Amino acid sequence: GNSVTQMEGPVTLSEEAFLTINCTYTATGYPSLFWYVQYPGEGLQLLLKATKADDKGSNKGFEATYRKETTSFHLEKGSVQVSDSAVYFCALKSNQGGKLIFGQGTELSVKP
Amino acid sequence: EPEVTQTPSHQVTQMGQEVILRCVPISNHLYFYWYRQILGQKVEFLVSFYNNEISEKSEIFDDQFSVERPDGSNFTLKIRSTKLEDSAMYFCASSDVGHIGGYTFGSGTRLTVV
Repeated sequence: GNSVTQMEGPVTLSEEAFLTINCTYTATGYPSLFWYVQYPGEGLQLLLKATKADDKGSNKGFEATYRKETTSFHLEKGSVQVSDSAVYFCALKSNQGGKLIFGQGTELSVKP
Repeated sequence: EPEVTQTPSHQVTQMGQEVILRCVPISNHLYFYWYRQILGQKVEFLVSFYNNEISEKSEIFDDQFSVERPDGSNFTLKIRSTKLEDSAMYFCASSDVGHIGGYTFGSGTRLTVV
């Protein structure tokens, strides 16, 4: 079945450090891929998405490229800020049906 | 920006009691979902709802659960007889036709069963 695996957290970085959160997936067909962010006490917010192979999603300095050959959708940011501290979820939507399948989430803590 | 609104934000209930979690999806969205997140675990799909009927449900969504869109704006999740293991954060989400804009999630209801 379809599944998403993320690197385990928590990830602790200093401000302005480079961020990578790994995400790999298993799916049949051609899923759409998403990153969601959950700030403390809030709901899930869409950060970026990609709907086909080699697409790059980007938002607020974050980027992720849909790599079909490695079944990956790693999240990157060149210079993190304290305000980026949150839990990040990778998710996929198969091309059959509308439900999202989430990874386990990665907590990011950015220190000044 | 349009929001998905969930109430209450936190509910405490006794084991065996019925609870209803409420959601107001974005007004022009047609697909509605419930997900849950047990503390420290993954966000899990429960059920999707389209055109006034369930379109897909997970194995978690057993006979204790039901969903309803009673009045064209609210979307509710009912748990008939709560168990300790139902304690979780419950998220409502909605999406437009074709899911082009992605899914918009509410802030969640934290359900605590004691």
